[in-house]
Amino acid sequence: GDSVTQMEGPVTLSEEACLTINCTYTATGYPSLFWYVQYPGEGLQLLLKATKADDKGSNKGFEATYRKETTSFHLEKGSVQVSDSAVYFCALSHQGAQKLVFGQGTRLTINP
Amino acid sequence: GAVVSQHPSWVICKSGTSVKIECRSLDFQATTMFWYRQFPKQSLMLMATSNEGSKATYEQGVEKDKFLINHASLTLSTLTVTSAHPEDSSFYICSAPTLAGAEDTQYFGPGTRLTVL
Repeated sequence: GDSVTQMEGPVTLSEEACLTINCTYTATGYPSLFWYVQYPGEGLQLLLKATKADDKGSNKGFEATYRKETTSFHLEKGSVQVSDSAVYFCALSHQGAQKLVFGQGTRLTINP
Repeated sequence: GAVVSQHPSWVICKSGTSVKIECRSLDFQATTMFWYRQFPKQSLMLMATSNEGSKATYEQGVEKDKFLINHASLTLSTLTVTSAHPEDSSFYICSAPTLAGAEDTQYFGPGTRLTVL
């Protein structure tokens, strides 16, 4: 079945550091790929998405590119801020199915 | 954006009792809602799809008699954990899509932490 694997956390960085959170997937066909973020005490929010190979999703300075050849969707940000501290989830779904398959989540802490 | 609420945010109960968790879409109608379960330091696992006016669809390995789902209106789905046991302790999260077939417009509730003593 479909699965998503993320790099294990927790990840702790200093403000303005570069961030990469790795995500790889196993799926049949051509799934859509997502990054969700969960801030403390809040529900998951969609951060960015990509629906086909070579698409780049971006939002709030974060980027991720759908790499079919490596089945990856790594999350990157050039300069993180304290407010980026949260848990990040990589996920996939098949179009129209609405069901999401999540990675295990990566807790990110940014220190000032 | 759209808001999904859950109630209660946390609950502690004795083994053998039943617990009901509510999921509400506050400013939109949802014919479908999803229930997830999250263990500590693990991923969200889809438990079931709640369908307004019809039976829920359960994922493989999820006991439908244990986790009763009722989607009685377009804004409310409930998950009842029957005869709860300590192994049912977990974080339960619901989500609702705002458009049918649009997987990227799902909105998530803040979750309910269940602790069974």
